[in-house]
Amino acid sequence: SQTIHQWPATLVQPVGSPLSLECTVEGTSNPNLYWYRQAAGRGLQLLFYSVGIGQISSEVPQNLSASRPQDRQFILSSKKLLLSDSGFYLCAWSVISGRNIQYFGAGTRLSVL
Amino acid sequence: QKEVEQDPGPLSVPEGAIVSLNCTYSNSAFQYFMWYRQYSRKGPELLMYTYSSGNKEDGRFTAQVDKSSKYISLFIRDSQPSDSATYLCAMERGNMLTFGGGTRLMVKP
Repeated sequence: SQTIHQWPATLVQPVGSPLSLECTVEGTSNPNLYWYRQAAGRGLQLLFYSVGIGQISSEVPQNLSASRPQDRQFILSSKKLLLSDSGFYLCAWSVISGRNIQYFGAGTRLSVL
Repeated sequence: QKEVEQDPGPLSVPEGAIVSLNCTYSNSAFQYFMWYRQYSRKGPELLMYTYSSGNKEDGRFTAQVDKSSKYISLFIRDSQPSDSATYLCAMERGNMLTFGGGTRLMVKP
């Protein structure tokens, strides 16, 4: 069966520090991969998605970037965090064809202080 | 206007009640419709997905889609305290999902 791992679960970082969040998927090949941010009490905002290694599409221009160095690995990064980057970050995957049913990781709660 | 509208709640019901959660949408290009449940500080988990208009049942949960009215619903029968969570509707178009803002449900014993 497929599983998605996301870490760390909680992260507290100072303003101006770098960020690296990692997501890996097991049990499937060539998945679509997604990064979302969820603000408190609000819906999911799509940040990046990838349909293959090295293929990244950005939905919202901002202080963040994403990379997909391996088929089942998706990384969210920032060179310098802003206060506004605080939030709940979620990674998701879906099969590359057919229904786009997305399955989510447990999320990373990021606090930028 | 948002593409997908969902009442944020909170919706508070007694244990055993029938719960109705709803979303409206404006884009007729949406093809698949999903409901996710999200417990506090956890990732969303898929509850149900539907394609065509009509009803789909899974245990205590029934998903209903009315494409002509651009309206979807999730019904929960015999609600339990463990159903207390935020429920997100989601709609698919191409490679993307568009999510509603979520409705927070509280089921009181």
